[in-house]
Amino acid sequence: DVKVTQSSRYLVKRTGEKVFLECVQDMDHENMFWYRQDPGLGLRLIYFSYDVKMKEKGDIPEGYSVSREKKERFSLILESASTNQTSMYLCASSIPSLADTQYFGPGTRLTVL
Amino acid sequence: AQKVTQAQTEISVVEKEDVTLDCVYETRDTTYYLFWYKQPPSGELVFLIRRNSFDEQNEISGRYSWNFQKSTSSFNFTITASQVVDSAVYFCALSSARQLTFGSGTQLTVLP
Repeated sequence: DVKVTQSSRYLVKRTGEKVFLECVQDMDHENMFWYRQDPGLGLRLIYFSYDVKMKEKGDIPEGYSVSREKKERFSLILESASTNQTSMYLCASSIPSLADTQYFGPGTRLTVL
Repeated sequence: AQKVTQAQTEISVVEKEDVTLDCVYETRDTTYYLFWYKQPPSGELVFLIRRNSFDEQNEISGRYSWNFQKSTSSFNFTITASQVVDSAVYFCALSSARQLTFGSGTQLTVLP
């Protein structure tokens, strides 16, 4: 069975803190993605990675960075959290093809106070 | 640029009613894929269906059916005899150049 896990379901942080969101997949997928989901805006792509140590910017990369040191793990980093980064963060993985179906983790609901 | 529009923000039906969720897309690519995902209250997006741009056959899976019409750039999703467990946010998405573009989602509430 396909499995994508995220380190936390709920997270509360303070403005200015450094935040790490971890995502692990056990399907040996090359591609991994980070999205944020906000009401009325759907899912917006923050960063993605097609291979270990590779990363590419999505539609809204400002204020975020990522790390992919191992194939199964893709981390999203908020260097200095701000209140406008309060959101639901979803991680996904897929095999590399145009038809690639993305499989999602359960999401992390981050609140920045 | 790609775009997916789900004009229905919220839909509410009574159990056993049929309901159709609309999805309209824009792309300049000739080869692309369309998806529907379900997001129940637990939060995890669940893959429902994938369709490629060359296959306009409608598909039925149990109570679910999908109508793909290239002429109108639409990929609509119908739930027949809805159930309370169908309550969720449903997302339509378009895949091209290895990325997914999502619509803003439709919140479906099925009342008992």
